Amino acid sequence: DAMVIQNPRYQVTQFGKPVTLSCSQTLNHNVMYWYQQKSSQAPKLLFHYYDKDFNNEADTPDNFQSRRPNTSFCFLDIRSPGLGDAAMYLCATSRPGYEKLFFGSGTQLSVL
Amino acid sequence: AQSVTQLGSHVSVSEGALVLLRCNYSSSVPPYLFWYVQYPNQGLQLLLKYTSAATLVKGINGFEAEFKKSETSFHLTKPSAHMSDAAEYFCAVSDPGGGYQKVTFGTGTKLQVIP
Repeated sequence: DAMVIQNPRYQVTQFGKPVTLSCSQTLNHNVMYWYQQKSSQAPKLLFHYYDKDFNNEADTPDNFQSRRPNTSFCFLDIRSPGLGDAAMYLCATSRPGYEKLFFGSGTQLSVL
Repeated sequence: AQSVTQLGSHVSVSEGALVLLRCNYSSSVPPYLFWYVQYPNQGLQLLLKYTSAATLVKGINGFEAEFKKSETSFHLTKPSAHMSDAAEYFCAVSDPGGGYQKVTFGTGTKLQVIP
């Protein structure tokens, strides 16, 4: 089945140690998103790619960066994770002009 | 800026009872409105959407929602709760048009179904 796959499901990193989360999709969608969801809070959009065009939300910290080497893959890089970055990170995709978002199962990040 | 407010972070209903999850929106333009469901250890899944067509929207698993402009509401209902409905439900709003969806989510309502 076509889907959005996030690896790993759980990721533990140390304070200040760079970490990369990955997302892949078999839907061939143009748009890929990264959301941060902290416990008991709404998912918050960090940034999105429309094809190779990167669009950062205004309040996304510089500590968060992203790469999209091709249509299928997108990576979230956290350069120096702090304790406040512990959260569920959700990847999603969509087609232009189509309202539905397709989500992966998320990566739960813990920072020790 | 668009926003949604979900009333009640936790809702408990008995199996077979009516499910009502409340959502109010704020938008300067006619919005697109959504309900997403998140089962434990899974990503969000679209339940239903309103995109300015019929005001009563039917979704998957027997859920429906009614868009009421006068009340700026988009409440989610299901006539009879099933144990499998236990999950977290997110109301969301986005701007129509454009190449991508800038979706703003509410803080979620956890639904507990009591046998």
